[in-house]
Amino acid sequence: SAVISQKPSRDICQRGTSLTIQCQVDSQVTMMFWYRQQPGQSLTLIATANQGSEATYESGFVIDKFPISRPNLTFSTLTVSNMSPEDSSIYLCSVSRQPNTEAFFGQGTRLTVV
Amino acid sequence: GESVGLHLPTLSVQEGDNSIINCAYSNSASDYFIWYKQESGKGPQFIIDIRSNMDKRQGQRVTVLLNKTVKHLSLQIAATQPGDSAVYFCAEFWMDSSYKLIFGSGTRLLVRP
Repeated sequence: SAVISQKPSRDICQRGTSLTIQCQVDSQVTMMFWYRQQPGQSLTLIATANQGSEATYESGFVIDKFPISRPNLTFSTLTVSNMSPEDSSIYLCSVSRQPNTEAFFGQGTRLTVV
Repeated sequence: GESVGLHLPTLSVQEGDNSIINCAYSNSASDYFIWYKQESGKGPQFIIDIRSNMDKRQGQRVTVLLNKTVKHLSLQIAATQPGDSAVYFCAEFWMDSSYKLIFGSGTRLLVRP
């Protein structure tokens, strides 16, 4: 398994501001995924972040709103930009050493926008 | 903590009974599948996985069955315990523009004492 540290664990932010969420892994991984989970719902994939290439975004998510960095094989950030109350959600980081292998999750970041 | 699974279908079982949780997946080209357990306020926890060249895989108290013909997965939990109460998701790994791990809609499992 992999140990994943996600920071912050929670935050309350003013609308119009931005928040950067960090995901740190204790070992090198090829694949990192960022998800959003609304209360009572499943996880929705925002983007796949592979080191050395641009993140690949899913339909409905754009780089200007959710810029992602992946500077090395153990770290990634997701920024939620120009936040509105609709961005209030849990944001989760997941990692997988290789495609089609086990994927593990951090504890998530609970974001509330007021 | 955050209430996970408020709007999800619920399976209620008696402690000690076996549970069967079902999932329909999306992509017939998916190669690899994972079942996760999520408790309130926590990230999803890996339970068991299965590859597309298998029909069945067993773990400790859990069994996953894969029916590729109808794109269906099931998770069987033997002798269900109160600690099994959680939301369960299936997820599939597939590739189009990039590899991605896509989650199913989830089922909330309630274990009655």
